[in-house]
Amino acid sequence: GAGVSQSPSNKVTEKGKDVELRCDPISGHTALYWYRQSLGQGLEFLIYFQGNSAPDKSGLPSDRFSAERTGGSVSTLTIQRTQQEDSAVYLCASSLDRYEQYFGPGTRLTVT
Amino acid sequence: RKEVEQDPGPFNVPEGATVAFNCTYSNSASQSFFWYRQDCRKEPKLLMSVYSSGNEDGRFTAQLNRASQYISLLIRDSKLSDSATYLCVVKSSGGTSYGKLTFGQGTILTVHP
Repeated sequence: GAGVSQSPSNKVTEKGKDVELRCDPISGHTALYWYRQSLGQGLEFLIYFQGNSAPDKSGLPSDRFSAERTGGSVSTLTIQRTQQEDSAVYLCASSLDRYEQYFGPGTRLTVT
Repeated sequence: RKEVEQDPGPFNVPEGATVAFNCTYSNSASQSFFWYRQDCRKEPKLLMSVYSSGNEDGRFTAQLNRASQYISLLIRDSKLSDSATYLCVVKSSGGTSYGKLTFGQGTILTVHP
């Protein structure tokens, strides 16, 4: 079956612009997670959705970052007024409640 | 102190070698433990779960010591295809962070002919 998909796969943007990253989880997976992987920082948790609710947003680095999930499915991570330190690979994962998390291929964001 | 700490390596070993990776975690309330594998420019994929009783999957053996908050991964008879970054992962078990994964920095393994 289809795995987790993310779009775009690569995004280059100018400093100060807003970007939207999309995640399509595996159908039926209730839990959705966003992580970020950058050089020197490893993989960091950003936000967790259970259905359309986000019980844990503790990993969002600043108020420029927001995310939503609609219909218990697709999620969008938005970064406003991008900065160079936002450059990273943004990974989405989904799971059936407490079970294994399956990761998407990621979106590589470069802020110039 | 990082929540999950690993020796970043790199480990360079010949084919057929046995290699061991270690990891420590700081949150004694952590409940679930895993090793993930990540190939260059790819997403992480679950390699195996880690249990106190130890578990083995072919050439791979994982072990958890809750008292020492220590996790290990042993790879026997290394193959060229084992070259990757190995991530030690701890999963939160309850509250609003339910299911959140905390990753170590990863240990880079290169197996050479």
